[in-house]
Parts: sequence; C-alpha cells; structure tokens
Amino acid sequence: DTGVSQDPRHKITKRGQNVTFRCDPISEHNRLYWYRQTLGQGPEFLTYFQNEAQLEKSRLLSDRFSAERPKGSFSTLEIQRTEQGDSAMYLCASKVTEVAFFGQGTRLTVV
Amino acid sequence: LAKTTQPISMDSYEGQEVNITCSHNNIATNDYITWYQQFPSQGPRFIIQGYKTKVTNEVASLFIPADRKSSTLSLPRVSLSDTAVYYCLVGDRGDYKLSFGAGTTVTVRA
Repeated sequence: DTGVSQDPRHKITKRGQNVTFRCDPISEHNRLYWYRQTLGQGPEFLTYFQNEAQLEKSRLLSDRFSAERPKGSFSTLEIQRTEQGDSAMYLCASKVTEVAFFGQGTRLTVV
Repeated sequence: LAKTTQPISMDSYEGQEVNITCSHNNIATNDYITWYQQFPSQGPRFIIQGYKTKVTNEVASLFIPADRKSSTLSLPRVSLSDTAVYYCLVGDRGDYKLSFGAGTTVTVRA
C-alpha cells in the first residue's frame, strides 16, 4: 500500500458523458501528478501540481480535460464529452522530495 | 530528461537471478536512476534508486558503473510473482516530471 488512493478503480461510461476521478495523495506530499497509460505503453505525463498550483499541463491534456487540486490536498481529473480514445488507465502520483509514489489507478472504458 | 534504453522483454525461471541493464548515455550530473515495477492493472511501484556504485535493499540491487552511462537492476532468486514490467527512469530528483519508456517485461516461468 503506497498511500496514494484513487477512486474509482474502474469506470465504464458512454461516449459523450463526463467523468471525474479523484486522487488522495500521501498527506505530506506537496507534489501531485496525473499520468495516463494505454495498453503496452509506459505512463505518459498529463499534469503536475505543487500544492494547489497547477504548474504544467501536457499537450496530451486537451481542452476536454481539467484538473484541480483545491487547498493543495486531494485532486480531481475531469474529462468532458468522453471519446473512445480516452479509454486508458489514469494514474495519480505524489512526491515530496526524492521518490514519486503511485496510486492503483482508475481504469476508464468509454463505450 | 535523459533518454533511457532497456530491453523489451526478458525470460527467466524461478530461483534465478535476473539482471536488467538500462542505457542512459546522456545522464546529467544531478540525475539519479530510479526503477519501478508494474503489475497489470496496478500503478508503478518504486523499487530502488541510486546515484553511483551500488545500492541494495530488501527487494533488489542497483549497480551503477563509474561513468554512470548505464545501470543494472538485479533481482535475486526471482519467483513467479516477479513477473512484471520494469521501468528505468533517469532524472533530477527535484524534477517534477517522470519520463517512462516502454519498460522491460520480465516473465518468470516455473
């Protein structure tokens, strides 16, 4: 148990619907990341927060994607108007200094 | 971020030692080498991190030669449960972004 919690673990949604995922990082970790992983590939960086500030967004993060981290604690990742290409594992990680710890991920399937 | 190259796959048998070598010719002075393990449908799990020479913990050893242009993750006496994808990452520990490649799929057979 790494201490990073993600909810839900699995989500099946119809194309065009909105979905929201939650990540609870390890409590003292001020850095929080979102990654996306498709089958057979390594995780790809989506966005990064330091405390409540979103400091970088990958170009993979289209305008349908939005992430927040109110009060520098938990974070949410919302995907609007989901497409089949959004089907992937969405991973959250947190870090304070040396090592990033990942959650179990949320598996999104868009049908 | 330094680019890494590692084998796509490796096969082994239970009880053997598995060594995975990662090449990182452009490693920078402040870069550390970090290895993660990932099982299907789970997030990556931190295994080990090092800067130079040798690092050992209860799970693995990491060997880094003096020029630091490569590193070798050593898994002693593997079991079936060590079947997983192993990722080698190189970067400054203060970097906010981790760059994963495709990793090495290690398959342990009985």
